Amino acid sequence: GAGVSQSPSNKVTEKGKDVELRCDPISGHTALYWYRQSLGQGLEFLIYFQGNSAPDKSGLPSDRFSAERTGGSVSTLTIQRTQQEDSAVYLCASSTTANYGYTFGSGTRLTVV
Amino acid sequence: KQEVTQIPAALSVPEGENLVLNCSFTDSAIYNLQWFRQDPGKGLTSLLLIQSSQREQTSGRLNASLDKSSGRSTLYIAASQPGDSATYLCAVGRSNYQLIWGAGTKLIIKP
Repeated sequence: GAGVSQSPSNKVTEKGKDVELRCDPISGHTALYWYRQSLGQGLEFLIYFQGNSAPDKSGLPSDRFSAERTGGSVSTLTIQRTQQEDSAVYLCASSTTANYGYTFGSGTRLTVV
Repeated sequence: KQEVTQIPAALSVPEGENLVLNCSFTDSAIYNLQWFRQDPGKGLTSLLLIQSSQREQTSGRLNASLDKSSGRSTLYIAASQPGDSATYLCAVGRSNYQLIWGAGTKLIIKP
């Protein structure tokens, strides 16, 4: 596609529910990244994919967070048993090579009530 | 642990002025340094990338410099325009795939 697409753009969920956030990267971009932006704070690295592999999952805040990427394309970030502190904007980016030429999606604003 | 600081947190200047945004980092062992802009409700847009071996990069009215020894980068915007109003983010490459981000400088250009 022309850009990185994220869905949904907004999600309000009740505490304790599971949510899935989707990222559709630019076609041909092998690198994919998830970041989280909390109010008034800098972006926080969550996970990086090269192809379908995630060599670094160290940024995932807890075991309630998981992510996968299939077919070297679409990625899903899943948060189980959501907590209020999970409320943030979740940003996805892709690039042709690692750490160069990022294209970001518009993000998913997650609100846990 | 790498920490990235951006000063000032907010800046308001009249249209037409030249301005400088500052970014400092604590660990000089960086992979690269990137500047992005973030517009409300939109994703981030990559502005400039400076590789570790480089001192500066230019794109149009933007010029970014890098001084690893002092742990500083500056983003210079010439002849500012209202369309330059946005939040500017500095990000330091910790590795070949992970960025450490500053909290940003919110820039307002007054017509």
